[in-house]
Parts: sequence; C-alpha cells; structure tokens
Amino acid sequence: SQKIEQNSEALNIQEGKTATLTCNYTNYSPAYLQWYRQDPGRGPVFLLLIRENEKEKRKERLKVTFDTTLKQSLFHITASQPADSATYLCALWASGYSTLTFGKGTMLLVSP
Amino acid sequence: DGGITQSPKYLFRKEGQNVTLSCEQNLNHDAMYWYRQDPGQGLRLIYYSQIVNDFQKGDIAEGYSVSREKKESFPLTVTSAQKNPTAFYLCASSIRESPIGYQPQHFGDGTRLSIL
Repeated sequence: SQKIEQNSEALNIQEGKTATLTCNYTNYSPAYLQWYRQDPGRGPVFLLLIRENEKEKRKERLKVTFDTTLKQSLFHITASQPADSATYLCALWASGYSTLTFGKGTMLLVSP
Repeated sequence: DGGITQSPKYLFRKEGQNVTLSCEQNLNHDAMYWYRQDPGQGLRLIYYSQIVNDFQKGDIAEGYSVSREKKESFPLTVTSAQKNPTAFYLCASSIRESPIGYQPQHFGDGTRLSIL
C-alpha cells in the first residue's frame, strides 16, 4: 500500500545550525511534492513545491530536494532560528489521485 | 485580507447530536477540502469539492456530510453516526486548475471538536 513516512521523533537542533527533515514514500510515483509548516493549534501554511523533474528548489533559508530514485524529499532550513520551531508536513500528489496525501509531520525544535 | 475562516474555534458535542462546522473563504477558490487531524496522525481527507454543487468522499467520509451551495462556503456536519468525532478539523481551499497537485492549499485555523 502507499505510504508517506516522516520522522515521528522531534528533531532538536541549536540555533544557527541547519535542520534537515526527511520525507520518504513508497508505492507512489509523485509528480509534485509540497512542504507545509504547522504551528500548534493552527492550520498548515504552504512553504514550497517541487516537481518530479526538479532536483532542488530554494526559497530564502529553505531548500527542498526531491530524489525519485531514493523516493525521498529532504527539507533543509539553514541558519535555523527558534522561530522556525514548528511541525513540518510533506504532501505529495501522484497521477490517478484526486488530491494531496499528507505525511504525519515532524516537529522541529530550535533552541537558542 | 483574503483567507479562510473556520468557526467556532472550539465545539462540544453531546452524544447523539449532530454538529456543523463552518468554513468560509474569500480567496475565490473553486476547490475546498475538509481534513481531520488526530494526535500523531497525518491529515486525513474527509470530503472535497472542486466546484459548487458537487463534492466527493475522501478517505474517511463515514459519519460526516457536507454541502457546497456557494463557492465561498463548505460546511461540514459531524453526525451522530461518527462514533469517534473528537479531533481537530481543518478546512482548506485551492485553485482548481490542473494539475491539482500543483496548487498549494490554503488552510483555516481549525475547529477542535470534543465530546461532552
């Protein structure tokens, strides 16, 4: 069956370091992969989208990679700040599916 | 400011009672979605609508109903048939143009439903 996996354990890093979050998928051939940020008690907010034929996408301190051979996307936040602390969700869309499918998310905690 | 408004923020349901969660958007989006989020779980799709007067079941539609009479509004009713309704409910909208997966979804800030 199709599955999207994100680290269930929280990622703790120090301010200024690069945070790297992982999204693995099985039995999908996604055409698009999106990343969202969710703060406690709030709805997710869209951050970045990457297509299957793109290896990397950047936006300010954010970088997303997409490796269709490894069936994995990596989400990087460089020069992380305590304000980056949140849960990050990946979502993918594959041909034949009507909507996005979301992962469970990974909580990032950036300590000063 | 354009956005999605969900109300109420908190809602309590008695056993055997139906409750309706409101979702309104002023983004002029055609597509709207309802998700349920439980602790440690991903977002699970309940219903979605790509156009007025049309909607489709998602992965966990049992015990829920929706209507889409206006472009701006997509209310969700949690019926008494939903045996485990306690959850955080999120409404979202997006542009409808294909491909669907290319369009980011814009979310409201959710309604937390609890059983009394």
